[in-house]
Amino acid sequence: QKEVEQNSGPLSVPEGAIASLNCTYSDRGSQSFFWYRQYSGKSPELIMSIYSNGDKEDGRFTAQLNKASQYVSLLIRDSQPSDSATYLCAVTPLTNAGKSTFGDGTTLTVKP
Amino acid sequence: GAGVSQSPSNKVTEKGKDVELRCDPISGHTALYWYRQSLGQGLEFLIYFQGNSAPDKSGLPSDRFSAERTGGSVSTLTIQRTQQEDSAVYLCASSLVPLSNQPQHFGDGTRLSIL
Repeated sequence: QKEVEQNSGPLSVPEGAIASLNCTYSDRGSQSFFWYRQYSGKSPELIMSIYSNGDKEDGRFTAQLNKASQYVSLLIRDSQPSDSATYLCAVTPLTNAGKSTFGDGTTLTVKP
Repeated sequence: GAGVSQSPSNKVTEKGKDVELRCDPISGHTALYWYRQSLGQGLEFLIYFQGNSAPDKSGLPSDRFSAERTGGSVSTLTIQRTQQEDSAVYLCASSLVPLSNQPQHFGDGTRLSIL
């Protein structure tokens, strides 16, 4: 079992729909959770971070964390073609803060 | 200020040669990270630095891989006697400090191709 698992996709949604990206992790000591967006051929860029249970909203993006279920998700509302990218979930433990573990990513395509 | 800078952006070399990849982090960032990303895969952790020291080298794939950081700034990742399976994009990131709540800022990567 991988430490951080994401649905590989591809996930395809029509423009204007809600895209839901999911991530599960195995280390219960995980403290911080990040979503990065990576366009093809480019480096990852941070779009959301979440540290406590519940929802965190930033514009069209909402991150949801449930530590009991070891689950973190990213919702993208009003999806745009420019949201088409690979989304990477990253999980960082409290005790080894330098060692984030990344999932393999979910590729999202938003169709006009 | 400038972001994380990596050089070269592309490197093609023959199997068996040594290569050196360079990363210049964001000014003032004390933590520096190296990852490897193979085509269609996620990021594989290699090593991270806090200042000039590397608390965790567990991700280095073999003893052909080494990294150093000097002056708390620039880092070099060296791969000796390269093999074809070393072909990947090598990404460097930095953060202000290596705390779990600190996001990492990535450079554009070095695309390494071993012939």
